[in-house]
Amino acid sequence: EDQVTQSPEALRLQEGESSSLNCSYTVSGLRGLFWYRQDPGKGPEFLFTLYSAGEEKEKERLKATLTKKESFLHITAPKPEDSATYLCARGIREKLTFGTGTRLTIIP
Amino acid sequence: DAGVTQSPTHLIKTRGQQVTLRCSPKSGHDTVSWYQQALGQGPQFIFQYYEEEERQRGNFPDRFSGHQFPNYSSELNVNALLLGDSALYLCASSQRGVRHEQYFGPGTRLTVT
Repeated sequence: EDQVTQSPEALRLQEGESSSLNCSYTVSGLRGLFWYRQDPGKGPEFLFTLYSAGEEKEKERLKATLTKKESFLHITAPKPEDSATYLCARGIREKLTFGTGTRLTIIP
Repeated sequence: DAGVTQSPTHLIKTRGQQVTLRCSPKSGHDTVSWYQQALGQGPQFIFQYYEEEERQRGNFPDRFSGHQFPNYSSELNVNALLLGDSALYLCASSQRGVRHEQYFGPGTRLTVT
C-alpha cells in the first residue's frame, strides 16, 4: 500500500533556529518526491521535486534532500513568514500520494 | 501567466444535494487532477483527466464524477452529498509527461449541512 509518513506532526521554533522535517515513503515505483507549502485555507504551493537519491534543491532558506527511503526539508535561520504546513508527496503515474504534513510555527 | 483557478471559493449545501465545482488549469497544462482535503489531513487523490478522459481514479465512490472540456478546464460533480463530503476540494494541473509537477489552485471549501 502506498504510504508517505511525515514527522514531526508539529514543530515550534524560535526565529533563526534551524531544523529539519522528515518524509519517509515506500520505494517501489517512485516517480518523484514532491514538497509543497500550504497556508491555512489555501491550496498547496509547489516548492521542490526530487527524483534520485543524493539529489538536493534549494530555495531561499529551504533545502530539500533525498535518500533511497526518505527526504528531508531543511530550514535554515527561519523567519515568522516561514510558518505554514509543509506537505510531501510521492508520485506514481502522475498521481500524488500525500503525507499528513508538518505544521511549522516560527516564533518571533 | 494565470495560475490554476477554481470556482466557487466557498459553497454551502444540504445533505442529499448535488454540487459542481470548476477548475481552469495553468496556461500550457493539459492534465487536471482533483483532490479532497479534510481538515488536518493531506490531500487525497480523487481522479485525473487527460484528453477529456478519466485516466486514474482514487478510492472514491462513483458519486464523485468529473469532466474535462476541449479547452482543458474541468468540473467535479458530487451527487447525494453526505456530511462527510465537507472538505477543501483542490484542483491541480500539470503538463503530461513533464516531470509530473502539479500546481494547485486555491481550492473550493464545501460545507455540507
